[in-house]
Order: sequence, then structure tokens, then C-alpha cells
Amino acid sequence: SQELEQSPQSLIVQEGKNLTINCTSSKTLYGLYWYKQKYGEGLIFLMMLQKGGEEKSHEKITAKLDEKKQQSSLHITASQPSHAGIYLCGADRRGGSNYKLTFGKGTLLTVNP
Amino acid sequence: DAGITQSPRHKVTETGTPVTLRCHQTENHRYMYWYRQDPGHGLRLIHYSYGVKDTDKGEVSDGYSVSRSKTEDFLLTLESATSSQTSVYFCAISEPKLGVYNEQFFGPGTRLTVL
Repeated sequence: SQELEQSPQSLIVQEGKNLTINCTSSKTLYGLYWYKQKYGEGLIFLMMLQKGGEEKSHEKITAKLDEKKQQSSLHITASQPSHAGIYLCGADRRGGSNYKLTFGKGTLLTVNP
Repeated sequence: DAGITQSPRHKVTETGTPVTLRCHQTENHRYMYWYRQDPGHGLRLIHYSYGVKDTDKGEVSDGYSVSRSKTEDFLLTLESATSSQTSVYFCAISEPKLGVYNEQFFGPGTRLTVL
């Protein structure tokens, strides 16, 4: 089973609409990272959440961490075509002294003008 | 942007041939990672390094080997490429801050096709 489940797998919205992407972990979260990827390019770090209830914003993107539910949500307000891409969540699997991230499969976002 | 380059950016090779991908960083970060990204599977860790000559396996390490002889370079080798290794390969770097976070910076990727 997948350690990190992202939903939805894909999303098509009209420009100006709000949207939410969820990331649920089956294991304890030490940290949750959100990345954005444009087609054919590398991943761009958006933000990181560490503490339950923590909320961070970057421009029109807000991410929250619900530690009890082991879930994070990414909310985009008034979407724009520039928001289109693949959004991936990554979980900190801090075991021992080595630092690794496990990633979800991603959510493909299309924003129609 | 973090100084990470990958070479080559695109490669087409034949089954059974050896292939080496290079990741180069200018950030002096201790950790380096190799991932592969495939439709339906997302991003999966192949190998990672936590220092010069210190490497460990990830979740999909079979058929791959790595080497890190210098802080700035992390090489991924496919000893005998197979069609199942057709993928986009990403390198990432990190300088974890104990008890804080493990933000990883990614390279632009290498698209490998094995015919």
C-alpha cells in the first residue's frame, strides 16, 4: 500500500476558482513537504510543515498540517494558469541518522483560462 | 536556485549497455539522492549518499549502483540497461538540520530511454 496518498489524482479548474489537494500518510509524519513540478522539469520546493496545526502561505498557496489525521492539505485561492503543474507531497521518514523523503504519486492540476 | 546540474539531459541507449548519469552540485550539501519518476509510480528513491563514499539503498535499487568520490559529484550507473529502466531520473541534494527539516533541492532531470 502507498505510504502517501494524494487526492485527487488530477484536477481541472477554471481560472479564478479555488481548489484543494490532499495528502494523507499511513505512517507518523515528522515533516510534510510540498513541491510543484512543471512538465519536463525538476521539482520546486513550495513549503514545509512540521507541527500539527501549522499553516503556511506562499503567494496564493496555503498548506496546513493536521497531525492527528496525519494529513496535509494544499489550497490555492483564485487559481491562475501559472498554477498548473504536478503537485507532490513528500514525507520525512527520519529513521536513524539518515534523512529520506517518501513522495506521493502527485496531483496533476490543469487551470483553464 | 540551488546549483545542481545533471548530465546528460537526454540519452537513448540499447538494452545491455552500461550507462552512467552524473549529478553535480556547487552547494557543498552533504546528502545527495537519485530518484526515478514514472507514470503511476510517482517519485521513487534509488540510492542516496550521506557523505563521500557513504551510500545506501533506496526502495528501487536493484540494477543500479552509485558512487561518490567527491562531495560535489554523485554518479548513478546502470551496469546493463534494461527497458524497465526507461524513466526520468532526478538528482536531489540536501543539508539536513538536525531536528528541523530536510528540504531537498532537485536537479532538472535526465530522460533515459532504453531500446
